[in-house]
Amino acid sequence: DSGVTQTPKHLITATGQRVTLRCSPRSGDLSVYWYQQSLDQGLQFLIQYYNGEERAKGNILERFSAQQFPDLHSELNLSSLELGDSALYFCASSGLAAPTDTQYFGPGTRLTVL
Amino acid sequence: AQKITQTQPGMFVQEKEAVTLDCTYDTSDQSYGLFWYKQPSSGEMIFLIYQGSYDEQNATEGRYSLNFQKARKSANLVISASQLGDSAMYFCAMRESFQAGNNRKLIWGLGTSLAVNP
Repeated sequence: DSGVTQTPKHLITATGQRVTLRCSPRSGDLSVYWYQQSLDQGLQFLIQYYNGEERAKGNILERFSAQQFPDLHSELNLSSLELGDSALYFCASSGLAAPTDTQYFGPGTRLTVL
Repeated sequence: AQKITQTQPGMFVQEKEAVTLDCTYDTSDQSYGLFWYKQPSSGEMIFLIYQGSYDEQNATEGRYSLNFQKARKSANLVISASQLGDSAMYFCAMRESFQAGNNRKLIWGLGTSLAVNP
């Protein structure tokens, strides 16, 4: 158990809908990362937050947004869903103890868009 | 451009034998970190081992060791005494410039599927 929690574990929805994925980082970690894992593109970095502020953006679609709340949990919002958004979405957290700064992953949310 | 290459889509190993999973990387940075993660069929992503670019010794964590050859830009994972539970996907990942601000994103290889035979 990495200490990172994600809910829900599975999500099945229809095209055009909107969903929210939730993540709680490990106790004490200020950084949260979101990754998408799909069969055709592998693991892709979406976005990073540090202590409530956005720090880095990857290949995140405009239909996707995220935020980190004062209690450090984070939510990833996916809207106008398309079939191609079906993927495993991971949240990871880390402290900033350079140089290792290992990212620990949650169990993931498997999103299926029908 | 930063890139991680894992050239072995699939590997087989006999139980109790050692196996090496290959990883090469491309970066222009002098300062970077290399990670290996394991993803079993259940889907979670499990951190295994880390190697910093300035580390002089190869990293080891139990049965896992990292064969780090900086000049060749390779960071191969060695699993000794394979167990049935080692059957999984293994991903190599790189983080660049940990000293350059707080952008800590990981760049991933496509993974190697390891099957341990009894």
